[in-house]
Amino acid sequence: NAGVTQTPKFQVLKTGQSMTLQCAQDMNHNSMYWYRQDPGMGLRLIYYSASEGTTDKGEVPNGYNVSRLNKREFSLRLESAAPSQTSVYFCASSKDTGSYEQYFGPGTRLTVT
Amino acid sequence: GDSVTQMEGPVTLSEEAFLTINCTYTATGYPSLFWYVQYPGEGLQLLLKATKADDKGSNKGFEATYRKETTSFHLEKGSVQVSDSAVYFCALKAGGSYIPTFGRGTSLIVHP
Repeated sequence: NAGVTQTPKFQVLKTGQSMTLQCAQDMNHNSMYWYRQDPGMGLRLIYYSASEGTTDKGEVPNGYNVSRLNKREFSLRLESAAPSQTSVYFCASSKDTGSYEQYFGPGTRLTVT
Repeated sequence: GDSVTQMEGPVTLSEEAFLTINCTYTATGYPSLFWYVQYPGEGLQLLLKATKADDKGSNKGFEATYRKETTSFHLEKGSVQVSDSAVYFCALKAGGSYIPTFGRGTSLIVHP
């Protein structure tokens, strides 16, 4: 039981490049989330998926797209990376949106030069 | 809107010292309150929670009491260890909300 896994762990991009961050959970959770963590800013929600087939914007969605590929997988895409997107990205899941606890992956550290 | 305010860090303590990390909140209704911990290089994990006023959450020697009258949920531990060095996040989840609101995090450094 791996919980929430994320790939890659580290990535360096040049401005304008694109990439997709992958996330998968094996806990049969319905809801999944993407956050970014910046120094002094705590966690900010980018997008979430309440259930398979649905996605919704969070606090900071601009410059990102998401895909809920199936119940297990939720990917985050940067179409044209910008230095302001340098951050640590966390994927999380929960049984459903009413659940108290979220389970987090280990994070992806992204640098955009 | 909902918000969580935590004390600025880092908090630096010697091993076996008493720990308090302050957390206050603003929310409509009666939210559930949480403390998450993030160890170096890892994702967040739930440390403890309280779902109604006067509840005390506890885990691994940490405690926090839901104080509605002061809108607070301060984290305490009687004797910290080096292994407690981490970033601690206070969070709330308001009734009917899909998404928790996180504080900015407080870094704790414990020296031997």
